[in-house]
Amino acid sequence: DVVMAQSPLSLPVTLGQPASISCRSSQSLVNSDGSTDLHWFQQRPGQSPRRLIYKVSNRDSGVPDKFSGSGSGTDFTLKISRVEAEDVGVYYCMQGTHWPHTFGQGTKLEIK
Amino acid sequence: EVQLVESGGGLVQPGGSLRLSCAASGFTFSSYWMHWVRQAPGKGLVWVSRINDDGTYTTNADSVKGRFTISRDNAKNTLYLQMNSLRAEDTAVYYCASFGTSWLLSYWGQGTLVTVSS
Repeated sequence: DVVMAQSPLSLPVTLGQPASISCRSSQSLVNSDGSTDLHWFQQRPGQSPRRLIYKVSNRDSGVPDKFSGSGSGTDFTLKISRVEAEDVGVYYCMQGTHWPHTFGQGTKLEIK
Repeated sequence: EVQLVESGGGLVQPGGSLRLSCAASGFTFSSYWMHWVRQAPGKGLVWVSRINDDGTYTTNADSVKGRFTISRDNAKNTLYLQMNSLRAEDTAVYYCASFGTSWLLSYWGQGTLVTVSS
């Protein structure tokens, strides 16, 4: 199985400050058509996961532009430009290129 | 409005069976692959099973192979997960999800809790 390694696993952030989460995959996530199925999800406490970013860098509908994704191959990053209280939760990267699809361990973002 | 509503969770003894359902509305259910993802209490997300749009192709995670069966009824816009030989480690919230064509969409249900305990 493709292992998705996130860091850090805990991320205390001051309100208004930026945050960054890294995700590395054990295999390339590039498909034969050149696309890359690396996605980012947010899970707020007590809620279902919500996808923020699909295919590395595309924001889902309704996702504020403070969220951005980047990367290629096996190294990917999610950035939040200015953390707000509503951003508290766990963030997961996920690969949809290989079966079984796999998630990272999750990064818990909290307000410092 | 897109809705995925899971049902069928509950308390079951080890070795028992349970059938989860996921009722879909607000999108063209029969056009998309469907998935089950689970989350043990306090843990991360794990893919369980997936099925193609017409129900002719399915794949399961190794941890549930031979025990869980995913299926769908496109006439009823409903996804199922038949879970047999349940173990304590199957205790989790089970989410159904759809990601459209080529991951361009993302729909999740609210989840249903399955507890396997004597």
